[in-house]
Amino acid sequence: ELKVEQNPLFLSMQEGKNYTIYCNYSTTSDRLYWYRQDPGKSLESLFVLLSNGAVKQEGRLMASLDTKARLSTLHITAAVHDLSATYFCAALGATNKLIFGTGTLLAVQP
Amino acid sequence: DTEVTQTPKHLVMGMTNKKSLKCEQHMGHRAMYWYKQKAKKPPELMFVYSYEKLSINESVPSRFSPECPNSSLLNLHLHALQPEDSALYLCASSHPLRRTEAFFGQGTRLTVV
Repeated sequence: ELKVEQNPLFLSMQEGKNYTIYCNYSTTSDRLYWYRQDPGKSLESLFVLLSNGAVKQEGRLMASLDTKARLSTLHITAAVHDLSATYFCAALGATNKLIFGTGTLLAVQP
Repeated sequence: DTEVTQTPKHLVMGMTNKKSLKCEQHMGHRAMYWYKQKAKKPPELMFVYSYEKLSINESVPSRFSPECPNSSLLNLHLHALQPEDSALYLCASSHPLRRTEAFFGQGTRLTVV
């Protein structure tokens, strides 16, 4: 059964610093997604990663995928307060089952 | 158009009421999902429809009844809910074959009183 683990659960960062969120999944997955969620809001799609070695970047966020290690990372460069949110990874398993990781609450402090 | 539209945005219902949540997309996506999300938790998968057929039911209580009338619409019928069913209900869609994004609607904030 597909399980997705994410760490850390909570990340307090200073503005201008770099950090990485990790996402591990337990079985072969066809796609790996990253989402952002602001308090009380829905999920905003950030990235979809499809193949081994895939890397995508948007602004200060960069996501990568290693299918052999079943690991995806979301790297934050020079954090700013606007990036404060909860970040989820999700893996797509068999029969279109889309399973979410536990989420990482990111708080960027001035 | 990359929108998934959910109605209503907010719903308050009594434990004896019957109500329905609606979800609509026009992206040609043939996989549609219902998720339940409690505060400070990840979305929890409830149902998946693939090509208008129910493909996954994650042991959801029968007081939740999904329906997919056509490839653009997804409903969730609610009956005799409990206060612990209060949550944000999210609809999502994706294409099973085209390896593209999965988009979420804005959600319905449900309160059961």
